[in-house]
Amino acid sequence: GQQLNQSPQSMFIQEGEDVSMNCTSSSIFNTWLWYKQDPGEGPVLLIALYKAGELTSNGRLTAQFGITRKDSFLNISASIPSDVGIYFCAGPSGSQGNLIFGKGTKLSVKP
Amino acid sequence: SQTIHQWPATLVQPVGSPLSLECTVEGTSNPNLYWYRQAAGRGLQLLFYSVGIGQISSEVPQNLSASRPQDRQFILSSKKLLLSDSGFYLCAWSAGRYYEQYFGPGTRLTVT
Repeated sequence: GQQLNQSPQSMFIQEGEDVSMNCTSSSIFNTWLWYKQDPGEGPVLLIALYKAGELTSNGRLTAQFGITRKDSFLNISASIPSDVGIYFCAGPSGSQGNLIFGKGTKLSVKP
Repeated sequence: SQTIHQWPATLVQPVGSPLSLECTVEGTSNPNLYWYRQAAGRGLQLLFYSVGIGQISSEVPQNLSASRPQDRQFILSSKKLLLSDSGFYLCAWSAGRYYEQYFGPGTRLTVT
């Protein structure tokens, strides 16, 4: 079946550093979504990508839809303490609008 | 604008007791609705989805059931809870033809 692999699983960074994470799929996607989940809350949609090669920004966050359509990347510039949380990638699964999610990248910031 | 509500926010129930979690969406019509479970803060497992009133699809056979009695209401139930039903339950909606899903605040269920 479909699988999404997120990397890294977790990371500690210094405040102010840039962060990069990625997601790879075993099959081709036509949509990539990135979510952030704060502790004890529901995931929040950060960025949606619809086209291979597309680069989209949301404040300090930038996400890219890989050319192969089997991967996507999320970058956070100049990280701050409120960037702490779990970042999930997601892509389409089936024809009913369902999504498959990666296992997440847990981001922790050292103040 | 659209909003999604879940209640209760937290719940502690004994093994063998029934369960009813509710999810409602405002500001949209005929949404797709989803129930997910998240264990240990990682990994979203799709439990049920619904594309319309009375239409429920189950992704994982288990001790739970779902119902959609109204267009914007989605209910997750169990007749007898198991310890393994503990977790963080999330409801989400999407606009049908779009893949973007929007999540509620979640319900933390602890079965003792």
